[in-house]
Amino acid sequence: EAGVVQSPRYKIIEKKQPVAFWCNPISGHNTLYWYLQNLGQGPELLIRYENEEAVDDSQLPKDRFSAERLKGVDSTLKIQPAELGDSAVYLCASSLESGQGEAFFGQGTRLTVV
Amino acid sequence: DAKTTQPPSMDCAEGRAANLPCNHSTISGNEYVYWYRQIHSQGPQYIIHGLKNNETNEMASLIITEDRKSSTLILPHATLRDTAVYYCIVRADYGQNFVFGPGTRLSVLP
Repeated sequence: EAGVVQSPRYKIIEKKQPVAFWCNPISGHNTLYWYLQNLGQGPELLIRYENEEAVDDSQLPKDRFSAERLKGVDSTLKIQPAELGDSAVYLCASSLESGQGEAFFGQGTRLTVV
Repeated sequence: DAKTTQPPSMDCAEGRAANLPCNHSTISGNEYVYWYRQIHSQGPQYIIHGLKNNETNEMASLIITEDRKSSTLILPHATLRDTAVYYCIVRADYGQNFVFGPGTRLSVLP
């Protein structure tokens, strides 16, 4: 069974440009998370979805970040415009309905803003 | 903020048991203890979790103290591939997020 799939694996963009990351969770997993990880630190939650509803987006910088999970399956995280400080690894994770049990993480997208 | 405290780093000799401690003195009765690890350039990998009983799987053992204020993750025979950052997380099973602290950087030495 495939795990959490993220793309692209790496992305380099110039500042002020838009960027989007895609995540396909494990089949049957209704809870989806987006995390941000800066170098040398643990992952930090950006947003959590239960099906297509964003139930916790309190840490998402809404002036430039947006996310969607249409049809409650795959999800897209967007940054527009990107800033130098957005350089980080963006991780997607999924778990079974209602956040039960463990979450499984994808490999992440490493973003470099120049 | 993370509800756990872990040492920033530890070393372990290859083939020996690695014992990684975690303090969670404010844990609530409905919160589980989860352990993840992150090998360089990969996403976090689930290892094990438990509520109050000790747990064992093919990767590791989890020992939770009777008062549940601390726990230890045991890798019985550490290999070089176990070198990673290990995260201890406490989380209720419903409706809570996984909150990561800085973790413990385990170095397995040949």
